[in-house]
Amino acid sequence: DTGVSQNPRHKITKRGQNVTFRCDPISEHNRLYWYRQTLGQGPEFLTYFQNEAQLEKSRLLSDRFSAERPKGSFSTLEIQRTEQGDSAMYLCASSSPVRGPVGDTQYFGPGTRLTVL
Amino acid sequence: DQQVKQNSPSLSVQEGRISILNCDYTNSMFDYFLWYKKYPAEGPTFLISISSIKDKNEDGRFTVFLNKSAKHLSLHIVPSQPGDSAVYFCAASANTGNQFYFGTGTSLTVIP
Repeated sequence: DTGVSQNPRHKITKRGQNVTFRCDPISEHNRLYWYRQTLGQGPEFLTYFQNEAQLEKSRLLSDRFSAERPKGSFSTLEIQRTEQGDSAMYLCASSSPVRGPVGDTQYFGPGTRLTVL
Repeated sequence: DQQVKQNSPSLSVQEGRISILNCDYTNSMFDYFLWYKKYPAEGPTFLISISSIKDKNEDGRFTVFLNKSAKHLSLHIVPSQPGDSAVYFCAASANTGNQFYFGTGTSLTVIP
């Protein structure tokens, strides 16, 4: 298992365009999380899936953002009508269904760096 | 409303000495705490964790201490090595599987 993967690693887009990012979690991890990180800040929670169900969404996730995990495996995060304020690192993490500390630990991918011009 | 705070944005330590990174939290419902290490252009890498039923957890050179009454945790790295130079984030969660709340990070530089 090679860990959490994210594609693309970098995305440059013009304001107003739509972008989509993909996250492939560690296999057998049923929980998947999206975070956003801006310069000088820690990661900020966006949304969380358990299998294919989206269980929690942050107020940071405006109606221009949508996330899916249709088959309970990979997930996509789409941003419509991008704005310059969307420029950030978008991080995906996954965790195991095992109860206890092992399951409570989230493992992060390398992130997708979005730049909106 | 920053629920997890790391008040020291940076720390420099000589190689071989102890590095102590601090973290404070405000939410008494937090019951699981982690430290992540992050290199530039990479995602955070899990380092060590502690649940609220313990006050200390050790893994090799890394030890995390939790003081629940003070809502404070710290990460000790002994001995510090140049490869430890990175940004360290503490994170906390209130329930199994829920979102993590992260601090703003402390940039550690270990000087050879």
